[in-house]
Amino acid sequence: GENVEQHPSTLSVQEGDSAVIKCTYSDSASNYFPWYKQELGKGPQLIIDIRSNVGEKKDQRIAVTLNKTAKHFSLHITETQPEDSAVYFCAASRGSGNTGKLIFGQGTTLQVKP
Amino acid sequence: GAVVSQHPSRVICKSGTSVKIECRSLDFQATTMFWYRQFPKQSLMLMATSNEGSKATYEQGVEKDKFLINHASLTLSTLTVTSAHPEDSSFYICSALENTGELFFGEGSRLTVL
Repeated sequence: GENVEQHPSTLSVQEGDSAVIKCTYSDSASNYFPWYKQELGKGPQLIIDIRSNVGEKKDQRIAVTLNKTAKHFSLHITETQPEDSAVYFCAASRGSGNTGKLIFGQGTTLQVKP
Repeated sequence: GAVVSQHPSRVICKSGTSVKIECRSLDFQATTMFWYRQFPKQSLMLMATSNEGSKATYEQGVEKDKFLINHASLTLSTLTVTSAHPEDSSFYICSALENTGELFFGEGSRLTVL
């Protein structure tokens, strides 16, 4: 089955700096790659996603890149702010469109220092 | 945006009792819902896929008699943890798949078994 590896497990940056989180997946049939932000005691919230027919997607300060050949995808947050501090999860899904059966990475705790 | 509501958000029960957690899609119909479990500082692990009107599909290693799932309507799925024990204490999160293919997560339910 699918296996998603996420690095780093913790990341501390200064406010205004960029943060990059990387994930690799094992199932070449996976075609949907969302990123979630989870705050303490809450459910995950989708922040950006990318499908396998696209190499890069950007939404304001957040961007995601996908390398299908290498089977890895990355989250880039620019101009980080203290409110970006949270746990971030990558995920991968197989099947047509988003089947919802997501396999999550281990999570990255991002701390943005003011 | 679409909202998925979970109830209760927190529950404490005695060992040996059963606990029911509800997952509702508030403004859309969800043929498919998913249940995840998240232990402290860990990732979300898919437990089962809940399909309206049919039996749930459980992931390997998840006891179907322990975690009863019922998806009786297009807006409600329930997870019942039967004969709960302290090791069942966890954060349980549901997600609901809209017919557009978009997935929405609930806010989670924290179960503590004494």
